[in-house]
Amino acid sequence: DTEVTQTPKHLVMGMTNKKSLKCEQHMGHRAMYWYKQKAKKPPELMFVYSYEKLSINESVPSRFSPECPNSSLLNLHLHALQPEDSALYLCASSHLTGWDTDTQYFGPGTRLTVL
Amino acid sequence: GENVEQHPSTLSVQEGDSAVIKCTYSDSASNYFPWYKQELGKGPQLIIDIRSNVGEKKDQRIAVTLNKTAKHFSLHITETQPEDSAVYFCAASMSLEAGGTSYGKLTFGQGTILTVHP
Repeated sequence: DTEVTQTPKHLVMGMTNKKSLKCEQHMGHRAMYWYKQKAKKPPELMFVYSYEKLSINESVPSRFSPECPNSSLLNLHLHALQPEDSALYLCASSHLTGWDTDTQYFGPGTRLTVL
Repeated sequence: GENVEQHPSTLSVQEGDSAVIKCTYSDSASNYFPWYKQELGKGPQLIIDIRSNVGEKKDQRIAVTLNKTAKHFSLHITETQPEDSAVYFCAASMSLEAGGTSYGKLTFGQGTILTVHP
C-alpha cells in the first residue's frame, strides 16, 4: 500500500480564519513533506519532517505552521492567509532508512482557496 | 542548487503513437530520477523511476533511460491511450543532510502536458 491521504479535499477560507490541513500515511515512512503547487507549475517544497521533528523550513511565512503529532500524521495550520496562498497543498512521505529513502509518495492534495 | 529542464512543455499525439519527454539536470550529485503523472485535480503519482547505477528501466508501456555523462533522462510511452493524458513531471533527487538525518530533495522539471487524441 502506497497511499497517503489528505483532508479536506477542498477548503475555502477567509483571510481572518484559522484552519488546518491533515495528512496521514501508514507505510511506516518517517519523513513527511508539505508542498505547495500553483496551477500549471511543479510542486514547491515547504517543510520536511524527519522522525517527527522539523528538519527543513524553506523560508515559509509564519502564517503556515506545520505540526507532526506522530509518525503517521502531519498537519498544516493556517492563519491569516492571503489570496495568493490559494493553491493545491500536497503532502508526501518517504522512508528515512534503507535503500529507498528518496522515493516520495504524494497524497491527492487539498485545494485551498483564500477569499 | 540543482536545475531540471523539461521538454516539450506540451505534447499532442494520436492514440497508439509513442510519446517521449526529455529532461536534463545540472548537478552530478543527483542520483535518483522519478517520473510523476498528475491528472487534473489529483496529486502526482509515481509511475516509474531510475537510479544512477542503471541506464534503462521498463514497466509495460513505460520506459525511462538515463545518460549520466550527458546528464539527461527521458520518459518513453508506447502505444499511448487517452487515459495517458495528464501532466508529467520529471524530477532529480539528491541526498541532503538536515536535522541529523538524510532525505532526498526533489527538484522538479516544469512539466509536460500530454494529450492523447482518440
